[in-house]
Amino acid sequence: GQQLNQSPQSMFIQEGEDVSMNCTSSSIFNTWLWYKQDPGEGPVLLIALYKAGELTSNGRLTAQFGITRKDSFLNISASIPSDVGIYFCAGQLGTGNQFYFGTGTSLTVIP
Amino acid sequence: DAGITQSPRHKVTETGTPVTLRCHQTENHRYMYWYRQDPGHGLRLIHYSYGVKDTDKGEVSDGYSVSRSKTEDFLLTLESATSSQTSVYFCAISGGGRGFFNYGYTFGSGTRLTVV
Repeated sequence: GQQLNQSPQSMFIQEGEDVSMNCTSSSIFNTWLWYKQDPGEGPVLLIALYKAGELTSNGRLTAQFGITRKDSFLNISASIPSDVGIYFCAGQLGTGNQFYFGTGTSLTVIP
Repeated sequence: DAGITQSPRHKVTETGTPVTLRCHQTENHRYMYWYRQDPGHGLRLIHYSYGVKDTDKGEVSDGYSVSRSKTEDFLLTLESATSSQTSVYFCAISGGGRGFFNYGYTFGSGTRLTVV
């Protein structure tokens, strides 16, 4: 299967700090998605990106579709305790409806 | 208001026994998926369906079968469970097409399966 590498694997930050994480692949993707997973729940879609260079925000979250189409970035500004969870990137090859998921970035926010 | 429900939420079974997990949706979405989630591997696709009786394999399909006899139900069966199939299983649905609310997946809350 496709390998999507997310980094960092885990982060421990102070409340109020900004967070950056990224997802890279050796393949070119047509769509990038970012999900957040709370403990004991399924992932929830945060942001969808559809073309290279696209920058999209959802509240304090901002994500970018890399110019090379092989990477994507997610930033969270002014983190709060409820940002805790695992963040997954997902990429779509071609025009099919199948997405490949990264291994996740675990975020811990220290009050 | 879940739109997608998985059952059971937790199950412990013995090696060699058959197990069936159920995914039920009320959104009338065309696409349904089964993923497994394991530490260090993220989410990996087991099987997916693009319509009633239309299914295809994902990247980790060995040891699993699926069936979709109705739009709303997608069943995942482990014919003879093994310890390597201990995992958290997620069902997802998608309406297909672009647009934030149509695209990507909506996930269920997961089934935690332990094979002893």
